Amino acid sequence: GAVVSQHPSWVICKSGTSVKIECRSLDFQATTMFWYRQFPKQSLMLMATSNEGSKATYEQGVEKDKFLINHASLTLSTLTVTSAHPEDSSFYICSAMQDTDTQYFGPGTRLTVL
Amino acid sequence: KQEVTQIPAALSVPEGENLVLNCSFTDSAIYNLQWFRQDPGKGLTSLLLIQSSQREQTSGRLNASLDKSSGRSTLYIAASQPGDSATYLCAVEGAQKLVFGQGTRLTINP
Repeated sequence: GAVVSQHPSWVICKSGTSVKIECRSLDFQATTMFWYRQFPKQSLMLMATSNEGSKATYEQGVEKDKFLINHASLTLSTLTVTSAHPEDSSFYICSAMQDTDTQYFGPGTRLTVL
Repeated sequence: KQEVTQIPAALSVPEGENLVLNCSFTDSAIYNLQWFRQDPGKGLTSLLLIQSSQREQTSGRLNASLDKSSGRSTLYIAASQPGDSATYLCAVEGAQKLVFGQGTRLTINP
């Protein structure tokens, strides 16, 4: 149990385009989902926390207009990187939490912006 | 602001050795501490979770300890195997947020 999936697993896009990444909890309802970003050989940095049906809470320094987060249902959250630029290239990982339980992590999405 | 530090950043040992990875954190007001494993280009696999009231947790060849008052945790791996090669991350949870260390890149040489 407690499986979290991400789609796509990798994506390459041109500078200026927008990219949507999906995070799904497959066998449980996630009241809270988290989005992290990881640069090569660095740790995970929390970008934002989203609760189903409400606006996401962004960490300091994260541009909310650039990284749009939608948590429309208890099993799906999406992260849209708008007008992507090469510096947005990174590994994006989501996690999902049921009530105040443990966070379960997705496999990550590798974004490369050319 | 919580800061998590892991030492060493990288470690290479021959197969069969026992080893210890270290994690320290600056704010002792934590709910729990977790150790994760991350293979290259992959997501996280949770290894052990220690609640703030606990001192240690064991799973197979892995043992994690927690000393909240001194802000330290160790992950002990017994009889290391090449399959243990990965990056090990420690993370502390406070107010429903996980703060991660930068990880220790472990290589077990056959």
